[in-house]
Amino acid sequence: DTAVSQTPKYLVTQMGNDKSIKCEQNLGHDTMYWYKQDSKKFLKIMFSYNNKELIINETVPNRFSPKSPDKAHLNLHINSLELGDSAVYFCASSWEGNEAFFGQGTRLTVV
Amino acid sequence: AQSVSQHNHHVILSEAASLELGCNYSYGGTVNLFWYVQYPGQHLQLLLKYFSGDPLVKGIKGFEAEFIKSKFSFNLRKPSVQWSDTAEYFCAVNGDNAGNMLTFGGGTRLMVKP
Repeated sequence: DTAVSQTPKYLVTQMGNDKSIKCEQNLGHDTMYWYKQDSKKFLKIMFSYNNKELIINETVPNRFSPKSPDKAHLNLHINSLELGDSAVYFCASSWEGNEAFFGQGTRLTVV
Repeated sequence: AQSVSQHNHHVILSEAASLELGCNYSYGGTVNLFWYVQYPGQHLQLLLKYFSGDPLVKGIKGFEAEFIKSKFSFNLRKPSVQWSDTAEYFCAVNGDNAGNMLTFGGGTRLMVKP
């Protein structure tokens, strides 16, 4: 069974659209994350969330919002997509500061 | 705030050469340190980690790293690289006051020539 799974793997959409990326972890971890990896491979934390606290990287536009229906899921919603949002988005999870386990990534292309 | 610097952006080696990738972090408190590898087209996988104890940690695939607290460094080493080690390598830090968030360095792209 995949530990951290994201869907879809590829997403191509037009500017201005609203889209969501889903993430599920079956590891029983208490914290989930979203990272953005740009074309230069630089990884930037977007959100960290557990059942108590949402930590938002202040540089993330408010068009991006995480939604967590339960501890095992952290979905990423993006409104009014822009060309600059094109990137690979990774979901990850961890337990109390231990190493993070990453999903396979979602390659988002905005045209 | 915590930060991580990887000074080598691109490294090209021949097979059997030795590897050392630099990683320096900036954080005043207790840290957990990690090295991740990302093979082409794949997700990040953990190579090794340091939480406490012996500052020389061994990971998978023959990799090791040494934590030098006085230098705020956690360099990655491998005595003899293989073509299959071609990948992007990321150092990461998780400070005890950082909400469990990993902060990554900019990555080092390693290319091993057969």
